[in-house]
Amino acid sequence: TQLLEQSPQFLSIQEGENLTVYCNSSSVFSSLQWYRQEPGEGPVLLVTVVTGGEVKKLKRLTFQFGDARKDSSLHITAAQPGDTGLYLCASQGGGNKLTFGTGTQLKVEL
Amino acid sequence: GAGVSQSPSNKVTEKGKDVELRCDPISGHTALYWYRQRLGQGLEFLIYFQGNSAPDKSGLPSDRFSAERTGESVSTLTIQRTQQEDSAVYLCASLAGNYGYTFGSGTRLTVV
Repeated sequence: TQLLEQSPQFLSIQEGENLTVYCNSSSVFSSLQWYRQEPGEGPVLLVTVVTGGEVKKLKRLTFQFGDARKDSSLHITAAQPGDTGLYLCASQGGGNKLTFGTGTQLKVEL
Repeated sequence: GAGVSQSPSNKVTEKGKDVELRCDPISGHTALYWYRQRLGQGLEFLIYFQGNSAPDKSGLPSDRFSAERTGESVSTLTIQRTQQEDSAVYLCASLAGNYGYTFGSGTRLTVV
């Protein structure tokens, strides 16, 4: 079973700051997804990355897939309180089953 | 429906009782997954249904857990003789194609 480590585990920042969260594995990802989960809700898909070195942007969010496809990062520019939530990376395996990382809990304060 | 619907949203049960959790997937989504999320943690895979194929039960933690799905419609997850360690949020997701799960809001189960 692939193990996904996310860092940092917790992050508390002020509105307007930039931040990066990381997702790492000892084995190669076939594809990687990033989700955001708000309290009382299920995770919501943000992006899927497939190709090594791929960079995708979603407004203020930039997702990068490592060249070797063993790591990924999510960078948020000028964070807003609405970005608060649990950020989860997930690797897709056989049967399209997802293996999730432990998550990064982000809190953006005014 | 427009999204994945789960019921109940919250369930408090006494230790030793059985509980049944329900998931209504998005119409037309052939694949359905159940995950468990303990407080502050990531999601653990439980079971997966794909069309009429035999379900992948490899994530079920014990024989007290079972799930059924009729065709491509509603699924129920049953936990027998609940224990306190079963307390968690149980999430259902459906999938069309190869990417992009749609999750329900989950059932928060508390065993007292």
